[in-house]
Amino acid sequence: EIGLTQSPGTLSLSPGERATLSCRASQSVSSSDLAWYQQKPGQAPRLLIYGASNRATGISDRFSGSGSGTDFTLTISRLEPEDLAVYYCQQYGTSPFTFGPGTKVDLK
Amino acid sequence: QVQLQESGPGLVKPSETLSLTCTVYGGSISSSYWSWIRQSPGKGLEWIGYMYYSGSANYNPSLKSRVTISLDTSKTQFSLTLTSVTAADTAVYYCARGGSRWYEGRFYYFFYMDVWGKGTTVTVSS
Repeated sequence: EIGLTQSPGTLSLSPGERATLSCRASQSVSSSDLAWYQQKPGQAPRLLIYGASNRATGISDRFSGSGSGTDFTLTISRLEPEDLAVYYCQQYGTSPFTFGPGTKVDLK
Repeated sequence: QVQLQESGPGLVKPSETLSLTCTVYGGSISSSYWSWIRQSPGKGLEWIGYMYYSGSANYNPSLKSRVTISLDTSKTQFSLTLTSVTAADTAVYYCARGGSRWYEGRFYYFFYMDVWGKGTTVTVSS
């Protein structure tokens, strides 16, 4: 099973700042089969990024993904209040598919 | 626009069977992967398994001996059955659709989840 770790656990930033979230896998993720999800309180996760760097339909271009192998990054270029949420990475290249523990983004 | 909705009992007794249904609105289940995921405070998000529209299934080894996912294409529904539940199975259960992309004249299907239900809370308690 591929384990995923995310850092930092919590990111406190001001509106307009750049957020950089990290996801590290315990072994290489095949074909960059890594996704990022956003989850707001009381809601289901929402797909942001798939294939490590492809934005899902309707997702703002403020969100971008990068990385390959074992190291992946989600960047939010200009933080807005609506971006307050927990962000999860998921690898779907090797079964069982696994999720990271999440990074909480809140306002400073 | 496809929407998913989970339904089923919110309370299940220990050692009994948990049964949930996901109804797909606005689309067919005769394509894509259809998954169940759960979320508990102690274990975070956990992928339970998927059923492919063709009938093949894949389950998380940690739950494999207790889990069955099935599709009912006539009702555009798919279901989750989890046997011999314990308090550790208390969680919010989500159903979700796997992603797809049209490329060079055909669809390709993937295991990331592009549409999720709102989730249903299941508590295991006597």
